[in-house]
Amino acid sequence: AQSVSQHNHHVILSEAASLELGCNYSYGGTVNLFWYVQYPGQHLQLLLKYFSGDPLVKGIKGFEAEFIKSKFSFNLRKPSVQWSDTAEYFCAVRAAGNKLTFGGGTRVLVKP
Amino acid sequence: NAGVMQNPRHLVRRRGQEARLRCSPMKGHSHVYWYRQLPEEGLKFMVYLQKENIIDESGMPKERFSAEFPKEGPSILRIQQVVRGDSAAYFCASSPPAAGSTANVLTFGAGSRLTVL
Repeated sequence: AQSVSQHNHHVILSEAASLELGCNYSYGGTVNLFWYVQYPGQHLQLLLKYFSGDPLVKGIKGFEAEFIKSKFSFNLRKPSVQWSDTAEYFCAVRAAGNKLTFGGGTRVLVKP
Repeated sequence: NAGVMQNPRHLVRRRGQEARLRCSPMKGHSHVYWYRQLPEEGLKFMVYLQKENIIDESGMPKERFSAEFPKEGPSILRIQQVVRGDSAAYFCASSPPAAGSTANVLTFGAGSRLTVL
């Protein structure tokens, strides 16, 4: 069965700092990869997705992620965070079948 | 163009009662997924349904939980004889018909927060 692990449960940083959230998955075949964000009190929203092609994917709000197949990783990055980026971030993988498997989430707190 | 609609947003039940959570998918979406988010945990897949058909229920607890997606009306997640451990946020997501492609994105609803007293 596929699994997704996010290395950090909580991240605290200051505005303008750079952010990188790790995500690794276990599945040897073709995968679709996603990052979702959940702002406080809101539902999950799609940040970005990777299906094929350029492994560097750009999403909304200045986020990007890089798919490294050899490392089974899909890390999320943002060069300069804002207070409004405070949220919980979920990595997700879709392999065989249609369901998404989520990582445990990383809570990011950006201090003003 | 309404998104995925879930109701109720908040539901309080006493132990032993039944909880029913409803989900109306986005217009044009025929696939529905239910996820559970326990406090301090990520989202755990529960069940995947198409109209009148359960496709994958590998994440559903064996007892007390059931789900349906009838031909008409919303999908319903039903929890019988609730216990305190059922307290969680239950999220529904929908996607368009897969048609053999895996390139579909799930759109999530705002969730239903169940509290069992």
